[in-house]
Amino acid sequence: QVQLVESGGGVVQPGRSLRLSCAASGFTFSRYAMHWVRQAPGKGLEWVAIIWYDGHNKYYAESVKGRFTISRDSSNNTLYLQMHSLRAEDTAVYYCARDRIVGSAGYYFDYWGQGTLVTVSS
Amino acid sequence: EIVMTQSPATLSVSPGERATLSCRASQSVSSSLAWYQQKPGQAPRLLIHGASTRATGIPVRFSGSGSGTEFTLTISSLQSEDFVVYYCQQYTDWPTFGQGTKVEIK
Repeated sequence: QVQLVESGGGVVQPGRSLRLSCAASGFTFSRYAMHWVRQAPGKGLEWVAIIWYDGHNKYYAESVKGRFTISRDSSNNTLYLQMHSLRAEDTAVYYCARDRIVGSAGYYFDYWGQGTLVTVSS
Repeated sequence: EIVMTQSPATLSVSPGERATLSCRASQSVSSSLAWYQQKPGQAPRLLIHGASTRATGIPVRFSGSGSGTEFTLTISSLQSEDFVVYYCQQYTDWPTFGQGTKVEIK
C-alpha cells in the first residue's frame, strides 16, 4: 500500500534552515509528481511546492519562493524540502502528498503523509 | 490567485440527515475541483476530484456537483465518522484551498 512518511521537523529559530524528508513506498515513485502542502496550527491548507515525476520541473508558492527548494532522489524514493530563512509564519505541519496523475501533474493529491511539525520560534 | 470560499464555516446536522456544503471560486475553474475530508490529527483524504468523481474507496453517500465557480459536496446520510472538516481545492491554476467547513452534530 502507498505510504508516505515525513521526518525532519522540529523547533528552529527565525532565519535558520531546516530540511524535511518524505520516504515513499508502495508505488513507483519515479512516475509521480510530488508536493509539499502545509497547515498552520488551527488553520487551513496551503500548497507549498511541486516537483514533477522526472525532477525537471519545480514550482513554488509565492510565500516560499526563493527560500524553499524541493528535490527528490528516485534512487531511494525520497522527497525533500530544504527551507532557508525561516519565519514565524512558516510554522505549520508540513505534509508530503502524491499527485494523482501518473506521468504528469494534476495538482491534486491522492495520498498524504502524516505530516511533520515545524515550529519557528526564538 | 484563485480564491476559494466555503460556506457555511460550520454546519450543524443530525446523524442520518443530509449535509450540503458549498464552495465558490473567485473565477471559473471549470471542473478542476477536489474535495478533501480531514479528521482531527490526521492528514486530509481525497474524496472527490473532477468536481464529481469519487476517489477510490470513497462511500457512495459522498457526491460532488457543480462547474465553473459554484460547487457542492453532499453527504446523503451522515454517519458518526463524517462529523469532521471538509476542504475544497481548485487545480486549474496554482492550487488553492477553501478555508474549510466543519460538520458538527446537531
